[in-house]
Amino acid sequence: AQRVTQPEKLLSVFKGAPVELKCNYSYSGSPELFWYVQYSRQRLQLLLRHISRESIKGFTADLNKGETSFHLKKPFAQEEDSAMYYCALKDTATDSWGKLQFGAGTQVVVTP
Amino acid sequence: DAGVTQSPTHLIKTRGQHVTLRCSPISGHKSVSWYQQVLGQGPQFIFQYYEKEERGRGNFPDRFSARQFPNYSSELNVNALLLGDSALYLCASSSGTSGRASQETQYFGPGTRLLVL
Repeated sequence: AQRVTQPEKLLSVFKGAPVELKCNYSYSGSPELFWYVQYSRQRLQLLLRHISRESIKGFTADLNKGETSFHLKKPFAQEEDSAMYYCALKDTATDSWGKLQFGAGTQVVVTP
Repeated sequence: DAGVTQSPTHLIKTRGQHVTLRCSPISGHKSVSWYQQVLGQGPQFIFQYYEKEERGRGNFPDRFSARQFPNYSSELNVNALLLGDSALYLCASSSGTSGRASQETQYFGPGTRLLVL
């Protein structure tokens, strides 16, 4: 069965320090992975998707199929990065593109 | 556009009751998905509807049902409520027109917080 694991519930970093959020997945097919973010009092929103290989707000994530990981990284954390981050996997074996499997989330706190 | 809207924002029910949650997608979006988010966990997929047809169903009991209307709004119904149904229920919409699933972006609503006593 597919599964998304985010091992850290809470990540506390200092402003300007690098931040890495871990995401591991188990999936037998070819996965499509995403990072979603929820800022305080805001809605859950897409941060980036692996297929686009884009950098959003300084964040990047590389899909490592060998290690079944999709870690999110940013070289210099900012206070506005404080939020809840969710890694999500889409089941490509189904027609349901709306079916995302989410991890439990990692709360990031950036202190000045 | 106000984005995805959900009603009500909060709801308190007792065990055994029935509840109906409503969602209006972004204008022009034809797909609606429902998720349940229990405290401390990530959202869990319940249903997806596209063009009024069910396109996906998560691992939820038959007490959960949904439908999509001609204007693409959607309702999630839960019968015989249990304490464990207490959660934040999220609705997400996407256009459904990109032709490629990986290009579809889910836009989430603010959620309906359900408390079952």
